[in-house]
Amino acid sequence: AQSVTQLDSHVSVSEGTPVLLRCNYSSSYSPSLFWYVQHPNKGLQLLLKYTSAATLVKGINGFEAEFKKSETSFHLTKPSAHMSDAAEYFCVVSVFTGRIALNFGSGSRLQVQP
Amino acid sequence: GAVVSQHPSWVICKSGTSVKIECRSLDFQATTMFWYRQFPKQSLMLMATSNEGSKATYEQGVEKDKFLINHASLTLSTLTVTSAHPEDSSFYICSASPGESLGYTFGSGTRLTVV
Repeated sequence: AQSVTQLDSHVSVSEGTPVLLRCNYSSSYSPSLFWYVQHPNKGLQLLLKYTSAATLVKGINGFEAEFKKSETSFHLTKPSAHMSDAAEYFCVVSVFTGRIALNFGSGSRLQVQP
Repeated sequence: GAVVSQHPSWVICKSGTSVKIECRSLDFQATTMFWYRQFPKQSLMLMATSNEGSKATYEQGVEKDKFLINHASLTLSTLTVTSAHPEDSSFYICSASPGESLGYTFGSGTRLTVV
């Protein structure tokens, strides 16, 4: 079985300060891991993905995440927040076990203060 | 690349009527598409996996007669909410992948309001 835990349901940062959104996972198989962003009443946009290549993954809009197998973590970071980063962020684990299984975290709402 | 188009974006319907939502992969073929439901301020809940040319696989607790899924071609899956009721009001999102290692692309979602 696999699961995803997003440890921060709400995060508020000031513009220009770093962003950290935490994600821990559990999986009986080698997972693929993704971070998606969702703006209000919009679909999900892929920020970055880890699929067993480099453990430090760089995505769009200056975001990056590091896969740490020993800690079963895949935290999302950005050095300097922008107002446009305010949105909901989802950590997703994908495992193929004969059928594709996508597991979503509960989401992290990021607020960026001016 | 890997664009998924979902229509309509917004729909308001009367209670008892049916609503069809379309999900298209524009630049790739998708033998499998996924349908999700999202309640306000919550994460996505997988409703069903749509398989081209065969029956959809529904998640536990999802009424297959209520949420009809048709995946008649490699680029189109439809979700029909039959005899809609106010409790069916929600945000519905579809997803597909051009390949497992390439990630999943999501449609822009459909806001359904049943009055």
